[in-house]
Amino acid sequence: QKEVEQNSGPLSVPEGAIASLNCTYSDRGSQSFFWYRQYSGKSPELIMSIYSNGDKEDGRFTAQLNKASQYVSLLIRDSQPSDSATYLCAATGYSSASKIIFGSGTRLSIRP
Amino acid sequence: KAGVTQTPRYLIKTRGQQVTLSCSPISGHRSVSWYQQTPGQGLQFLFEYFSETQRNKGNFPGRFSGRQFSNSRSEMNVSTLELGDSALYLCASSGTQGEAFFGQGTRLTVV
Repeated sequence: QKEVEQNSGPLSVPEGAIASLNCTYSDRGSQSFFWYRQYSGKSPELIMSIYSNGDKEDGRFTAQLNKASQYVSLLIRDSQPSDSATYLCAATGYSSASKIIFGSGTRLSIRP
Repeated sequence: KAGVTQTPRYLIKTRGQQVTLSCSPISGHRSVSWYQQTPGQGLQFLFEYFSETQRNKGNFPGRFSGRQFSNSRSEMNVSTLELGDSALYLCASSGTQGEAFFGQGTRLTVV
């Protein structure tokens, strides 16, 4: 069973601090990794994609991938109240026919 | 570029009825996946269609079915609705990189 694991939270972070969200995956064949943000009652929104080991930065967001440890993380710098949401980690395999596997999400709360 | 469009946005149905939900993917995307999400739950994968063929399937009863048309638009059907089918149904289309782009969802309430 291919799985993506996340701590469900809630993770509470003060405004302006760095929020760190973590994810592990079981399928060593996974090649592409994604982070989604989902506000309550809304659909998930893709915020980061990462395909190779290392860091990828986009504005206040940094995705980190370590394939040897089967570990993906998302850092949010200068956290804002608007960052309060559930963050979903997802992974998909090498084949274009591979199903994307979602974690159950981490609830992040930014406290003023 | 237009995003993923789901219709209708809201539906109220009675137990035992059937319902059809529609999804128009991003232009050029040939893969369409459907998910069910209930309050406090993660995304539960229903099925994926690619070029009119079901390519992957989740663990849902046969009451849940889908299809994809030659223009990549997809429909999902739920027959003999149960109260537990009340949920947000999400459609996502994927391109060549595998990332999924979600529609706004259809919120189904079964009474």
